[in-house]
Amino acid sequence: SAVISQKPSRDICQRGTSLTIQCQVDSQVTMMFWYRQQPGQSLTLIATANQGSEATYESGFVIDKFPISRPNLTFSTLTVSNMSPEDSSIYLCSVGTTSYEQYFGPGTRLTVT
Amino acid sequence: SQKIEQNSEALNIQEGKTATLTCNYTNYSPAYLQWYRQDPGRGPVFLLLIRENEKEKRKERLKVTFDTTLKQSLFHITASQPADSATYLCALAGTSGTYNYIFGTGTRLKVLA
Repeated sequence: SAVISQKPSRDICQRGTSLTIQCQVDSQVTMMFWYRQQPGQSLTLIATANQGSEATYESGFVIDKFPISRPNLTFSTLTVSNMSPEDSSIYLCSVGTTSYEQYFGPGTRLTVT
Repeated sequence: SQKIEQNSEALNIQEGKTATLTCNYTNYSPAYLQWYRQDPGRGPVFLLLIRENEKEKRKERLKVTFDTTLKQSLFHITASQPADSATYLCALAGTSGTYNYIFGTGTRLKVLA
């Protein structure tokens, strides 16, 4: 399975600011995804990060709020823009395999004050 | 609406016994189902995937069953160990080839020495 790292591992941010989370994979992968896990909640898919094209967002998530970049097959970023306390959550990137397994990064714990 | 239910109460069992966790779903016809393990502060770790046309899947001490009539999956850990203590998540996906998994909130398992 791929080794996935995320930066930062945690951050505390002021409302109204933006944070960019990086996801690095140790091998080239086609499928990369971004999830959110709010306290006590299940994981929710934010978007699929497509290499060379715009990300595909799930219902309830928009590009202006969560812009995503995927410049190559090993790296992606998720920005949480104009943050509010409701954005406090764990953000996770994952990669998918051809056999439909998913492997997750360690997550970024975001607190917005 | 689509719903996945996992027992939100923690499951405590004695070391050496078999732990059985349940995942029930409604208003959904998943093509496949996955189980993950999540430790506090970490990203989920993929354990097993089972397809709709499979009744049972095994991997070492783990066994998953999938009953599409009952709309239920059971996850078994045999000869449980304290190191198996974690939260276990089930996830469903409806259409082969898609990664839009819906995750349950997980069941916390504690294996007592």
